[in-house]
Amino acid sequence: AQSVTQLGSHVSVSEGALVLLRCNYSSSVPPYLFWYVQYPNQGLQLLLKYTSAATLVKGINGFEAEFKKSETSFHLTKPSAHMSDAAEYFCAVSDGTGGGNKLTFGTGTQLKVEL
Amino acid sequence: DVKVTQSSRYLVKRTGEKVFLECVQDMDHENMFWYRQDPGLGLRLIYFSYDVKMKEKGDIPEGYSVSREKKERFSLILESASTNQTSMYLCATKKLGSTDTQYFGPGTRLTVL
Repeated sequence: AQSVTQLGSHVSVSEGALVLLRCNYSSSVPPYLFWYVQYPNQGLQLLLKYTSAATLVKGINGFEAEFKKSETSFHLTKPSAHMSDAAEYFCAVSDGTGGGNKLTFGTGTQLKVEL
Repeated sequence: DVKVTQSSRYLVKRTGEKVFLECVQDMDHENMFWYRQDPGLGLRLIYFSYDVKMKEKGDIPEGYSVSREKKERFSLILESASTNQTSMYLCATKKLGSTDTQYFGPGTRLTVL
């Protein structure tokens, strides 16, 4: 069985500061990992994904994440936060098996960006 | 661009009513999913379908059923709505392939009174 843990349900940063959202996963096979963002009253939008190629993955809006197998982590970072980054962020894992290739999501981290 | 539409953004129903939530996609994706999203619980998979007329239970199928008669349309059915089914419901679609992205609709916020 696969699972995802997101540490910190709420994270607050100042505009211009580093953003770090934590994600740890559990999977019995090499995982595929995803970060999604949800802006208020919208569906989820893919930020980036790891699919066993490069361990440092760059996504949209200046975000990136690094896959660390030894730490079973896939933390999301952005060097300088912008007000428009305020949203909820979800980490998800897939083991790539089964007909539907299901995703298992974490419980989400609400990012607040302050002036 | 992939377009995933859901029949309603907001829906209010009464306990015991039969509720239909519809999802339509325009990208010929094989896989379709229904999730519910609740604060502090993230997204939980209710049902998914990897082909027309094919369906599989997700993690929380109790109280729900689904229908996929056409490739582009996936319906979620609440046979007898209850207050604990008040939630945000999200539909997603994906091409057949383990690394492909799931694309989400805007969601339906359902309130059951």
